[in-house]
Amino acid sequence: GENVEQHPSTLSVQEGDSAVIKCTYSDSASNYFPWYKQELGKRPQLIIDIRSNVGEKKDQRIAVTLNKTAKHFSLHITETQPEDSAVYFCAATFGTASKLTFGTGTRLQVTL
Amino acid sequence: NAGVMQNPRHLVRRRGQEARLRCSPMKGHSHVYWYRQLPEEGLKFMVYLQKENIIDESGMPKERFSAEFPKEGPSILRIQQVVRGDSAAYFCASSPLSTRKQGRGETQYFGPGTRLLVL
Repeated sequence: GENVEQHPSTLSVQEGDSAVIKCTYSDSASNYFPWYKQELGKRPQLIIDIRSNVGEKKDQRIAVTLNKTAKHFSLHITETQPEDSAVYFCAATFGTASKLTFGTGTRLQVTL
Repeated sequence: NAGVMQNPRHLVRRRGQEARLRCSPMKGHSHVYWYRQLPEEGLKFMVYLQKENIIDESGMPKERFSAEFPKEGPSILRIQQVVRGDSAAYFCASSPLSTRKQGRGETQYFGPGTRLLVL
């Protein structure tokens, strides 16, 4: 079935360190992989996305890598800052469906 | 360019009442998705609509829940005879077009959500 697994569920890093969150998906036909950041009580906010014809994408301190063979993709945040603290969700679309299947989320805490 | 709008932002209902949640997509977007987020959990897809058409309702509970996106006006998610388990945040997202046929996925932008509390 359509499934996205996300690890770790919680992650604590010191300010300035890097954070990596990993997701695996079940369907090799998946083709779109967005990442959302959600602060407490707020809407999910798209921070970066990648499509299946690309292996890596970077936007300032944020990067996403995709390994289609292994069916996993990762979010990398470098030089973390306290304002990066939030819950991060990965997601994927499966086949021709447009709906997003989300991972269970990673609570990132950046400490001073 | 206004973002996705949802109202009300907070809604309190007693068991057995009806809840109506409204979503106006971003300007130029004609596709709407509804997701539900239980406390401390991820987002679960409920339904995907175009104007006057339900495209995918595979995530909708079989009873008490319905959705529409009329030709004019916002999309409505309706929950009849609410129960305490319906308490959650309901998010709407919109996208500019469907690439279902190409199967490539289109960016979805989320609204601020409606937090439903059933007493």
